[in-house]
Amino acid sequence: QKEVEQNSGPLSVPEGAIASLNCTYSDRVSQSFFWYRQYSGKSPELIMSIYSNGDKEDGRFTAQLNKASQYVSLLIRDSQPSDSATYLCAVRAMNYGGATNKLIFGTGTLLAVQP
Amino acid sequence: SAVISQKPSRDICQRGTSLTIQCQVDSQVTMMFWYRQQPGQSLTLIATANQGSEATYESGFVIDKFPISRPNLTFSTLTVSNMSPEDSSIYLCSVADSNQPQHFGDGTRLSIL
Repeated sequence: QKEVEQNSGPLSVPEGAIASLNCTYSDRVSQSFFWYRQYSGKSPELIMSIYSNGDKEDGRFTAQLNKASQYVSLLIRDSQPSDSATYLCAVRAMNYGGATNKLIFGTGTLLAVQP
Repeated sequence: SAVISQKPSRDICQRGTSLTIQCQVDSQVTMMFWYRQQPGQSLTLIATANQGSEATYESGFVIDKFPISRPNLTFSTLTVSNMSPEDSSIYLCSVADSNQPQHFGDGTRLSIL
């Protein structure tokens, strides 16, 4: 079983719509979650971090965390063609000593925003 | 956030040779990491670069193949040794301070002929 799972997509949405990206994780005690955006040929760029249950908003982006269900999602409102990229979900790995500094990445969801 | 410079940005190498990739940060950081991203794949952690001591390698990665140095809090190198076509990949450096999110350099795109 993969530790961090994402639908690989592509997820196609029309310009101006809400894009919803989902991620599930296997380690119930995970505490820190991150969304990275990766344009083709570029390196990952951090766009959101979330640590508590509920919603966290930053501009057009909203991260949602539900620890009981072990999922984290990213909503992109008013999607633009420039949002077309691969979105990587990452979870901070845990061990017996607690949180580590290592990240476990999902395989990413390719988002295509159609003009 | 810190400015992370990675060199070279890309290279084409011959089978059996070695390449050293440099990662330079414009401020001191606690943690530095090296990742590999194979074509169409997600990121896989190779190792954590530890300042003044041996790197901590992940399962499947060994020091003889991927020696890492970290002489200070702003600089690290990753060497890909005795390269084969299977080593063709993007190699990424990331940095973080304790409990803070990681930020990535621009990556090194490596092709092995």
